[in-house]
Amino acid sequence: AQSVTQLDSQVPVFEEAPVELRCNYSSSVSVYLFWYVQYPNQGLQLLLKYLSGSTLVKGINGFEAEFNKSQTSFHLRKPSVHISDTAEYFCAVTKWGGGTSYGKLTFGQGTILTVHP
Amino acid sequence: DTGVSQDPRHKITKRGQNVTFRCDPISEHNRLYWYRQTLGQGPEFLTYFQNEAQLEKSRLLSDRFSAERPKGSFSTLEIQRTEQGDSAMYLCASSSEFEDEQFFGPGTRLTVL
Repeated sequence: AQSVTQLDSQVPVFEEAPVELRCNYSSSVSVYLFWYVQYPNQGLQLLLKYLSGSTLVKGINGFEAEFNKSQTSFHLRKPSVHISDTAEYFCAVTKWGGGTSYGKLTFGQGTILTVHP
Repeated sequence: DTGVSQDPRHKITKRGQNVTFRCDPISEHNRLYWYRQTLGQGPEFLTYFQNEAQLEKSRLLSDRFSAERPKGSFSTLEIQRTEQGDSAMYLCASSSEFEDEQFFGPGTRLTVL
């Protein structure tokens, strides 16, 4: 079974400051890793994903994440945040299998990012 | 294609009533997932279809819950004899079996009084 821990439930930052949202996972098998964002009253939207290859992945809206296998982490970063980045962010994993993932996502508890002017 | 749609967006019901939610996936996707999200938590997997076959059900899915995808297109999730603990956001997602990204609908918020 897989599990995901998001180490911060809330992260307040000022506009234009850098931010890091932390995610650690546990799995006995290889996994794919994802970050989703949920804006108020909207569905989950994929920010970025790590499947294989380069451990630094870039996503939409200027976000990037780095996969660290030894530390079982997949932290999300953005060098300069905007007010519009205020949302809840979810880290998720799915079991890898044979070139396509099994599909069932296991999510972390979420991190609420609040960007202040 | 307008993405994954869910109906209704909000449902308020009294304890003991039955409710049914509908999900329409992206048309070319053959995988469909249901998740439940309670306040302050991440979504939790409930069940998963590939075409019309229900391939896995979570232990969270008690016998009061049933899901169908009769023609491999839209899906319904029914909760019988609702309880206050069923109050949550019910999310539907779809994907192609050849891709790893799941596309989520806006969810159905259920409130059981």
